[in-house]
Amino acid sequence: DSGVTQTPKHLITATGQRVTLRCSPRSGDLSVYWYQQSLDQGLQFLIQYYNGEERAKGNILERFSAQQFPDLHSELNLSSLELGDSALYFCASSVQESSGNTIYFGEGSWLTVV
Amino acid sequence: DAKTTQPTSMDCAEGRAANLPCNHSTISGNEYVYWYRQIHSQGPQYIIHGLKNNETNEMASLIITEDRKSSTLILPHATLRDTAVYYCIVRVPYSSASKIIFGSGTRLSIRP
Repeated sequence: DSGVTQTPKHLITATGQRVTLRCSPRSGDLSVYWYQQSLDQGLQFLIQYYNGEERAKGNILERFSAQQFPDLHSELNLSSLELGDSALYFCASSVQESSGNTIYFGEGSWLTVV
Repeated sequence: DAKTTQPTSMDCAEGRAANLPCNHSTISGNEYVYWYRQIHSQGPQYIIHGLKNNETNEMASLIITEDRKSSTLILPHATLRDTAVYYCIVRVPYSSASKIIFGSGTRLSIRP
């Protein structure tokens, strides 16, 4: 158990809908990362937050957004969902903004868009 | 971040040492070598990291060549539960936004 908690574990929704994935980082971790893993593209970095502020952006679509709240939990919002958004979404956390103490991953949220 | 090259797949007999190579010929002086693994659809799991000295922990050993252009992850006594995709990553852990960028990794199969 990495200490990073993600909910929901599984989610099935229809195209065009909007979903929110939630992440609770390890106790004391200030930095949160989101990754997407689909069958044909491996693990893709989406976005990083540190203590409530966006720090780095990867291949995140404009239909996707994220935020980190004062209690340090984070949410990834996915809207206007398409079939291709079906994937496993991972959250990770680390103590420092610069991840000197390495990054620990949650178990992921499975999103199926039908 | 510098890129890494790993074999697509490897296999190893249970109980033997599994040696996973990684080439990172363009690594810069302040980049560390990190290893993660992902057991089927679970969250990636941190294994070990190092800068230039060999490292060992309860999971594995990391051997980095003197020129730092390559490294080897060693699982000393592989078990069936070590079957996973292993990722070798180089990064500067103390940069301002040091996310981990994953490559394709090595799919390690442990045979009974």
